Amino acid sequence: QVQLVQSGAEVKKPGASVKVSCKASGYTFTGYYIHWMRQAPGQGLEWIGRLNPKTGGTDYAPRSQGRVTMTRDASINTAYMELSSLRSDDTAVYYCARLDMTSGWHWGPGTLVTVSS
Amino acid sequence: DIQMTQSPSSLSASVGDRVTITCRASQDIANFLAWFQQKPGEAPKSLIYAASYLQSGVPSKFSGSGFATNFTLTISGLQPEDFGTYYCQQYNSYAITFGQGTRLDIK
Repeated sequence: QVQLVQSGAEVKKPGASVKVSCKASGYTFTGYYIHWMRQAPGQGLEWIGRLNPKTGGTDYAPRSQGRVTMTRDASINTAYMELSSLRSDDTAVYYCARLDMTSGWHWGPGTLVTVSS
Repeated sequence: DIQMTQSPSSLSASVGDRVTITCRASQDIANFLAWFQQKPGEAPKSLIYAASYLQSGVPSKFSGSGFATNFTLTISGLQPEDFGTYYCQQYNSYAITFGQGTRLDIK
């Protein structure tokens, strides 16, 4: 079955960068976009962007543009989301997810990123 | 961006009740609408995709309907485990957006 396994929690200082991984299994990795979302403490869900694992092409939300980079290593079925110039309001749980138009969404378990001096 | 507006923002219901949550899109999204349930400390759980299709493994007490700009999620025979926050999401445009959430408490 479809599984998305994310890397562990991170604590970073303001101005640093963080790279979160999302390892896919149970389907053809290059066949579906990987989306990244985040949720700040007590807040709603926000879409950050998406990665085409086949081509490496990306689309980012305007708010994320310039600080986020999404990449992949198709040889190990893994997608990455890197966020730079971290601020305290980047503290959130970051989720990767896959959409199959014929069977719906599958989400990873989330990765907590804490930005604190 | 397409704005998604959910109502109500919170509601309290009794075991056995039937509840309905609505979601309105700021423009036509056809049926590119999903519903999620989230409990504290957990990842969102997918319930419905394409407005009315039940995600595999989700009980039939959950149902979705709607098209274009107006959508509803209905939960029948409410049980204590159905508490949590429910979100709608549009994926008609590549810039995916979510509703602000509806918090469901069980009386």
